[in-house]
Formats: sequence, C-alpha cells, structure tokens
Amino acid sequence: QVQLVQSGAEVKKPGASVKVSCKASGYTFTSYALNWVRQAPGQRLEWMGWVNAANGNTKYSQKFQGRVTLSRDTSATTAYMELSSLTSEDTAVYYCARVMYSSSPVPGSLHWGQGTLVTVSS
Amino acid sequence: DIQLTQSPSFLSASVGDRVTISCRASQGISTHLAWYQQKPGKAPTLLIYGASILQNGVPSRFSGSGSGTEFTLRISSLQPEDFATYSCQQLNSYPPTFGQGTKLEIK
Repeated sequence: QVQLVQSGAEVKKPGASVKVSCKASGYTFTSYALNWVRQAPGQRLEWMGWVNAANGNTKYSQKFQGRVTLSRDTSATTAYMELSSLTSEDTAVYYCARVMYSSSPVPGSLHWGQGTLVTVSS
Repeated sequence: DIQLTQSPSFLSASVGDRVTISCRASQGISTHLAWYQQKPGKAPTLLIYGASILQNGVPSRFSGSGSGTEFTLRISSLQPEDFATYSCQQLNSYPPTFGQGTKLEIK
C-alpha cells in the first residue's frame, strides 16, 4: 500500500531554515508528483507547491516563491521541502501528499504523509 | 487567487441525520473541486473529486454535486466516524486553494 512517512517535529528560531523529508513506498516513486501542503493552527490548508518525482521539475505557490525549495532523491524515494527565513507565521503542520491525476487541470492529493509539526519560536 | 467560502463553518448534528455542506468559489471552476475529511491530529483524506466522483473506498452515504461556483457535499445518514472537519479544494487553477473548513460536531 502507498505510504508516505515524514520526518519528525522541528523547533526553529526565526530566520532559520527547515528541511522536511517524505519517504515514499508502495508505488513507483517516479510516476507521481508530490504536493506539499501546510496547515497553521486553526487555519485552512494551504498548498505550497509540487515536485515532479520523475524529473525534479517544480511548481510553487507565489506566496512561497523564493523561500521554498522542493526536491527529491529518486534513489531514496524521498522528497524534501526546505523553507527558509522562518517567522512565527510559518509555525504549522507540513504535509506531503502524492498527487492524483484526473481530468482537472491541477492535481489533487490522494495519499498523505502523517504531517510534520514545525514550530518557529525564539 | 480563487477564494473558496464554506458554509456553515460549524455544524452540530446527530447520528443518522442528513447534512449538507456548501462551498462557494469566487469565480467559476467548472467541476474541478475536491472534498477532504480531516480528523483531529490526522492528515486529510480525499472523499470526492471532480465535484461528484466518489474516491474508491469512500462510503456511498457521501455525495457531491455542483458546478461553476456552487458546490455541495452531502452525507445521507451520519455515522459516528463522520464527525470531523470537511474542506473543499479547487483544482481549476494555481494555486489550488482550500475552503476554511466545516467542523461537524456531535449534537
């Protein structure tokens, strides 16, 4: 079965960077892109971007452009999300999710990781 | 960005009730809408995509409808495991935005 296992919780100081990993198994890693979605406390889900696991191409939300880097390691079947210049507003649970291709222009998220809590605090 | 507004934000209901949750888009998105269920401390799960297509394994008491700017998620007979937060997401254009969520609580 499809599994996405994310790295553990992180506590970072303002201005620092964080890198979250997402280890995939149970499917052909290079056949699907991976979305990254975050949820701040009490807030709605927020899409950050996706990485094409086959070729490493990325698409980012303009909100995070320049501050987020999505990457993948095909040999490790692992995707990564790095977010820099952290502020308290980046405190959130970060999810990776394997896309689901359908007739829609934008792929939805079918299989989700368990989430990684990133806390930004001085 | 396309804004999605759900109503209501909170809903109190009993086991066996039929409930309806609405999602309104700030501009037309055809049927490019998904619905997710999320339980506390857990990741979302996909219920419906294409506005009305039930994801494999999702109980048939869930249904979705709508097109353009108005969408509805219906649960025909609430079960104890259905008490959760439901969010819509538009898949029409980037960025794929989410609604603010509807928290369904036990009455």
